[in-house]
Formats: sequence, structure tokens, C-alpha cells
Amino acid sequence: NAGVTQTPKFRVLKTGQSMTLLCAQDMNHEYMYWYRQDPGMGLRLIHYSVGEGTTAKGEVPDGYNVSRLKKQNFLLGLESAAPSQTSVYFCASSYSLGGNYEQYFGPGTRLTVT
Amino acid sequence: GQQLNQSPQSMFIQEGEDVSMNCTSSSIFNTWLWYKQDPGEGPVLLIALYKAGELTSNGRLTAQFGITRKDSFLNISASIPSDVGIYFCAGFYNTNAGKSTFGDGTTLTVKP
Repeated sequence: NAGVTQTPKFRVLKTGQSMTLLCAQDMNHEYMYWYRQDPGMGLRLIHYSVGEGTTAKGEVPDGYNVSRLKKQNFLLGLESAAPSQTSVYFCASSYSLGGNYEQYFGPGTRLTVT
Repeated sequence: GQQLNQSPQSMFIQEGEDVSMNCTSSSIFNTWLWYKQDPGEGPVLLIALYKAGELTSNGRLTAQFGITRKDSFLNISASIPSDVGIYFCAGFYNTNAGKSTFGDGTTLTVKP
């Protein structure tokens, strides 16, 4: 199993450009999450999904949109990138049964907005 | 929102020493998870705790779920150079759709 994969690994955008980050998991997990990690800080939840076709806002959702059209994929979109969105983005997935929320993370996407 | 206070922020130790770090919250959690993040990588799950008072080991790592459900501790015995990294705690409240709150991490440096 590949686990959780993310594409691309690196990206540089100019202010105002748009892009989509793709997350894929092959563990048949119901729940998926997008986090951002800024230097010296922990992970902050952007959006999450509890199943195919569902999404919900996390702690820092502004400026981002998400979609979960297939169970194994969770897309994060930036419609008009801003320098404040320069960060490392991590996707994670987890089971949802029996209160087991152990999250498995992807390797991250390093985004720079100039 | 909920906040986790993780301490210490950083640690510099000699190889072979034991390490202790903790996480505290003003809120109750049903689950505590401990992760390790190597440079340039995503966090990797080390230990999961599901019951107040629970003590769980994974090799040289031992973690405890505090009785008050507002804190958790991680201990590493006989540290080695590959223990270097950032250690994060995360708290979950089960009715919250798996949404976790992460601490800001403890950065561990091990001197050979």
C-alpha cells in the first residue's frame, strides 16, 4: 500500500494564481483532512471530510475550497493565492469506527506564494 | 477554540539520556495521539491512547493518558541519534468527527 500520497511535492505561485493540491489514500479510510503547517508551529486544520461527497470547515478555512468526489481522493483548492498561504500542506486520512481516529499523513506539499 | 500547550518547546540531550515531554489542555479529550515528524516529512504516529490513566509502550517510547483527561506524557528511554525530530501531541474528542487539536511540538536534538 502506498498509504497517503500528495501531489505536487513543491509549487511556487504568484499572487492571484490558482492551483489544486491532490491527496489520495488507498486504505479505504472514511475521513480525510487538510492541514497547514507554518514554521515552528503545529498543524492547523483547514477542511475535512467525513465521507465521499461531504466536506466541512476546520480551524482556518478562509481562502481554501475542497472537494471529495471519490472516497480515495481529497482535493484542496486555492482560488486566488496570497503570500499568507505560503506554508507546508499536509493531507491525512483516518478510520472512523469505534472512536479510532488515528490519522495517517502524506509527505506534504511545500507551497510558496510570491 | 481548544488549545494544547506542549512543553518543553525544545530539548538538547546527550545520546543515552532519557527524555520526558508533556501536553496539557484546558479541555477534556477522549483520545491522545503522539506523532514524530522528521525534517521534510509528514508526521508519523507513535502511540495512541484511548483511556484515562492508560500507560502504553512502543519500544523505548512510553506514553500516558492523564487521569484528568486534560494531559498526556511521552517518555523516551536511552535516546539515540535517530530520535531527533519534532514530537507532536494531538487531542481528540470523539464526537467531533475526528477533528484533532495539535500542540506546537517539542523539538528534540540528540548529541552523539
